[in-house]
Amino acid sequence: GQQLNQSPQSMFIQEGEDVSMNCTSSSIFNTWLWYKQDPGEGPVLLIALYKAGELTSNGRLTAQFGITRKDSFLNISASIPSDVGIYFCAGQNYGGSQGNLIFGKGTKLSVKP
Amino acid sequence: DGGITQSPKYLFRKEGQNVTLSCEQNLNHDAMYWYRQDPGQGLRLIYYSQIVNDFQKGDIAEGYSVSREKKESFPLTVTSAQKNPTAFYLCASRGDRGSYGYTFGSGTRLTVV
Repeated sequence: GQQLNQSPQSMFIQEGEDVSMNCTSSSIFNTWLWYKQDPGEGPVLLIALYKAGELTSNGRLTAQFGITRKDSFLNISASIPSDVGIYFCAGQNYGGSQGNLIFGKGTKLSVKP
Repeated sequence: DGGITQSPKYLFRKEGQNVTLSCEQNLNHDAMYWYRQDPGQGLRLIYYSQIVNDFQKGDIAEGYSVSREKKESFPLTVTSAQKNPTAFYLCASRGDRGSYGYTFGSGTRLTVV
């Protein structure tokens, strides 16, 4: 099935550093979403983006919906140990099975105190 | 509070046995999904259902079966035909058209012993 290209696959950073990850697609989406999965739990929605070019923040997290509608990025500023987990991007269109999400393979973030 | 509940959290199965994973939601969501997660593989879609009494195969449906007799419930059976069933299984739901993203359960870790 279709998947998004998410990079990097993993990151090992020092506490306090900024983090950047991105997602690209060969097709356009109407909505981009970013999820975080804590170890042993289900993913939780962090940010949803609805409009091309949109820049949205949620605390230390900032995400952008690419102007071409084929990409998105997520930045985390001043990382802390609880940022550890897997971050997934997802693209979504509207209506019927098009409402199904297409996921990236995830970026695994490790933070060294 | 509305949510989506998966049970049990941990499940052990003997080789050759069928096992059923439970997924219940009280969000009044129409669509429900089952994903399998292996390390480094991201989220792989097993089955999904857009409406009661209807469901479609995802990318890796072989060895699995589902039913959708009630809007609230979407159980997944891992059959003995599934050659490598040990994995983390996630259930998710989505509201009506125009609603964004999925709500995930907390997952079931299945181990074949």
